[in-house]
Amino acid sequence: KNQVEQSPQSLIILEGKNCTLQCNYTVSPFSNLRWYKQDTGRGPVSLTIMTFSENTKSNGRYTATLDADTKQSSLHITASQLSDSASYICVVSDRGSTLGRLYFGRGTQLTVWP
Amino acid sequence: EADIYQTPRYLVIGTGKKITLECSQTMGHDKMYWYQQDPGMELHLIHYSYGVNSTEKGDLSSESTVSRIRTEHFPLTLESARPSHTSQYLCASSVVAGGNTGELFFGEGSRLTVL
Repeated sequence: KNQVEQSPQSLIILEGKNCTLQCNYTVSPFSNLRWYKQDTGRGPVSLTIMTFSENTKSNGRYTATLDADTKQSSLHITASQLSDSASYICVVSDRGSTLGRLYFGRGTQLTVWP
Repeated sequence: EADIYQTPRYLVIGTGKKITLECSQTMGHDKMYWYQQDPGMELHLIHYSYGVNSTEKGDLSSESTVSRIRTEHFPLTLESARPSHTSQYLCASSVVAGGNTGELFFGEGSRLTVL
C-alpha cells in the first residue's frame, strides 16, 4: 500500500534554532517528492521538489534531502524564524499511472517560540 | 504568489441548504482539484478535472458535485449540506507533463461549517 508517514507530528522550537522534519514513504514507482508549507488558514505552498536522482536541494533556509534507496526524505530548517510556524506537508508522486497520482502525509506542525 | 482564488473563505449555513464553493485560476492550468482537509489530517482528493468537460471523483467519497465548463473555473456544489460536510475545502491546479503532476498551486481555502 502506498503511504507517506511524517514525523514528528508536532514540534516546538525556539527562534534561531535548527530543526529537521522526516518523511518516509512506500510509494512505488517513485516519481518525485515535494515539501509544502501550509500557514494556518491558508493553502499549502511548494518549498522544494526532489526527483529520483537528487540527494539534496536548498531553498533559502530550507534544505531537503532524499534517500531513494531507503525511501526517506528530510526537511532541515536553519536559524528558525517566527514565520516558520506552520504545517509542513510531504507529498509523493508516483509514476505508475498516467495521472501522476499524489500521496499526502499528515504534516508536521512546527511552532517557533520567541 | 499563486493566481488561484476561492470564495467564500468562510461559510456558516444551516442543514439542508445548497451551497457552491467557487474556484478560479488565471494560470491556464488544465488540471484542477478539490481537496478536503480536517485538522491534523492529510488532504483527501474528492474531485479532479483534466480540462473542460472532464470531471472525475477522487479517493474520498463525497456527496458534492463539480463542473468544468471553462478552463479557469471549477466550482463545487453541495445540494443539501449536512453537519458531516463541515470541513476545510482546498482548490488547486497544476500542469501535467509527461505523466508527471507538476507543482500544485492552492487557493486560500473555504472553511465550511454546517449547523
